[in-house]
Amino acid sequence: KAGVTQTPRYLIKTRGQQVTLSCSPISGHRSVSWYQQTPGQGLQFLFEYFSETQRNKGNFPGRFSGRQFSNSRSEMNVSTLELGDSALYLCASSLAGPNVLTFGAGSRLTVL
Amino acid sequence: KQEVTQIPAALSVPEGENLVLNCSFTDSAIYNLQWFRQDPGKGLTSLLLIQSSQREQTSGRLNASLDKSSGRSTLYIAASQPGDSATYLCAAQGGSEKLVFGKGMKLTVNP
Repeated sequence: KAGVTQTPRYLIKTRGQQVTLSCSPISGHRSVSWYQQTPGQGLQFLFEYFSETQRNKGNFPGRFSGRQFSNSRSEMNVSTLELGDSALYLCASSLAGPNVLTFGAGSRLTVL
Repeated sequence: KQEVTQIPAALSVPEGENLVLNCSFTDSAIYNLQWFRQDPGKGLTSLLLIQSSQREQTSGRLNASLDKSSGRSTLYIAASQPGDSATYLCAAQGGSEKLVFGKGMKLTVNP
């Protein structure tokens, strides 16, 4: 079966712009989580959505937001981009409840 | 607050060695402990998952153990190969989808 698909894979933005990243989970998976990976901070949890509801949220500013659609696809948005937002953004999907997470290949964002 | 530590941050070994990768966590109230592999510029590949009620899991040349009481997990790699070169991350999962990751250990296996 198809894995977790993230689009776009690479993108370059300038400070002050906004960006939207997309994640299509494995068919049947209803939970989607987002993580930010940077060389300095490593992998940090952004948020998790289940059945279109945000269930958990990490310690990130309000510029980071997300949503989930009825087909479980999820998007995350970062507004007013800062240089420090340059990172690999990973999403993961899983069945309901604490379970094995399957990660996508990530979206690499560069902010100039 | 859960904190996960991996030491050392990098390891370089000759091919054929048996390896031990360490992971420690501060909160023993975990649901499971996962080990991942990440190749440069890529996403994460799940290697092994150990449920809190288990002591170890094996897959091929990989074996992971879990000791909740001491807050430690170990990943053993037998007969290392150059293709094993990657960054290895461990992550502790509580009662939600949130994983708390270590910073990872970059492994280089030299032919």
